[in-house]
Amino acid sequence: QVQLVQSGAEVKKPGSSVKVSCKASGGTFSSYAISWVRQAPGQGLEWMGGIIPIFGTANYAQKFQGRVTITADESTSTAYMELSSLRSEDTAVYYCARAGGSGSYVRYPLTDWGQGTLVTVSS
Amino acid sequence: EIVLTQSPATLSLSPGERATLSCGASQSVSSSYLAWYQQKPGLAPRLLIYDASSRATGIPDRFSGSGSGTDFTLTISRLEPEDFAVYYCQQYGSSPGTFGQGTKLEIK
Repeated sequence: QVQLVQSGAEVKKPGSSVKVSCKASGGTFSSYAISWVRQAPGQGLEWMGGIIPIFGTANYAQKFQGRVTITADESTSTAYMELSSLRSEDTAVYYCARAGGSGSYVRYPLTDWGQGTLVTVSS
Repeated sequence: EIVLTQSPATLSLSPGERATLSCGASQSVSSSYLAWYQQKPGLAPRLLIYDASSRATGIPDRFSGSGSGTDFTLTISRLEPEDFAVYYCQQYGSSPGTFGQGTKLEIK
């Protein structure tokens, strides 16, 4: 079973950017989709986008297109999610999660999750 | 995108009782690619059920999933104290993989 360890909590000003990392260990990294899911305080889960490292190109939810950039570094088995033009509504816990099968965003559930990273946007 | 609607929003039951949670989809979920997750406060979600009815590794057999098309159900046959949590369904048959809004299972 793969372990996903995320970077620590962040406090950001409105209009700035945040970059969260997700380091994988104990399993195959490159061919499995890594998704980013966020959860605002007291709210549900929201898929933001994902990447299959071996393919290199990311797939984004329409809501976040233009504001989120997801990348991956195969050499360190680390995925990154950068969100720009932050506003107070972006205050949330951001999770990375790995698909249960290789090569696709669809057909596989999210079997392994990081511990979450709290991003607080406040002036 | 496929919209998932969970009901009820809150379910109040006692330990030992049976819980039935529903998840309805705005359009048919491809190949029953539907999952259920459990989330406890301050923790990441945990996969319980995938492909509508298959239990994930280590999940007790009191958890079961059923359904196809647009209607899915998670059943907990006999509630244990540790089962009180929030449950989410997610479809992963088409991108984006959308989640329901959650059902909170609370102790009565």
